[in-house]
Amino acid sequence: GAGVSQSPSNKVTEKGKDVELRCDPISGHTALYWYRQSLGQGLEFLIYFQGNSAPDKSGLPSDRFSAERTGGSVSTLTIQRTQQEDSAVYLCASSLQTSGGNNEQFFGPGTRLTVL
Amino acid sequence: RKEVEQDPGPFNVPEGATVAFNCTYSNSASQSFFWYRQDCRKEPKLLMSVYSSGNEDGRFTAQLNRASQYISLLIRDSKLSDSATYLCVPRGGDTGTASKLTFGTGTRLQVTL
Repeated sequence: GAGVSQSPSNKVTEKGKDVELRCDPISGHTALYWYRQSLGQGLEFLIYFQGNSAPDKSGLPSDRFSAERTGGSVSTLTIQRTQQEDSAVYLCASSLQTSGGNNEQFFGPGTRLTVL
Repeated sequence: RKEVEQDPGPFNVPEGATVAFNCTYSNSASQSFFWYRQDCRKEPKLLMSVYSSGNEDGRFTAQLNRASQYISLLIRDSKLSDSATYLCVPRGGDTGTASKLTFGTGTRLQVTL
């Protein structure tokens, strides 16, 4: 079946512009995560959605970052007034959320954001 | 102390060698663990899950030491295709954060001829 998809795959923008990154999780997965990964670095957790619960936004680095998940499916990560340090690969993952379950996270291919 | 610590490497080993990576974690309540593999410029993919003392899958063995709070990954008979970064991921024990995974920075393995 279809995996997690993300768009665009690459985004080049100018400093100060806003960008929107999209994630389509695996159908039926109730949990959705956003991470970012700078060159040569580990994954940095940004935000987590689970069903209808309030999202865990504890990883968002500043108020320029926000995310929505509409209808419990597609999610959009928005970065306002982009800065050069926002350049990174933004990865989305989804998982089934079952009590005591594996909860393996399946990752999308990522969006490579470059802020000039 | 960081939540997850891994030696970044790189570990350069010849084909056929046995190599082991360690990962230490700070949350003693972590219930389960994952090893993910990430190829260069690709997304991470699950390699192995560990729920008790360890797990074995072919050439890969994961061992958990709860007392010392570390988990190891052993790769036997290394193949060129094993070259990748291996990410250690403890899963939090707190119900509220049970699904929020904290990824280590990973250990890079380079297998050579």
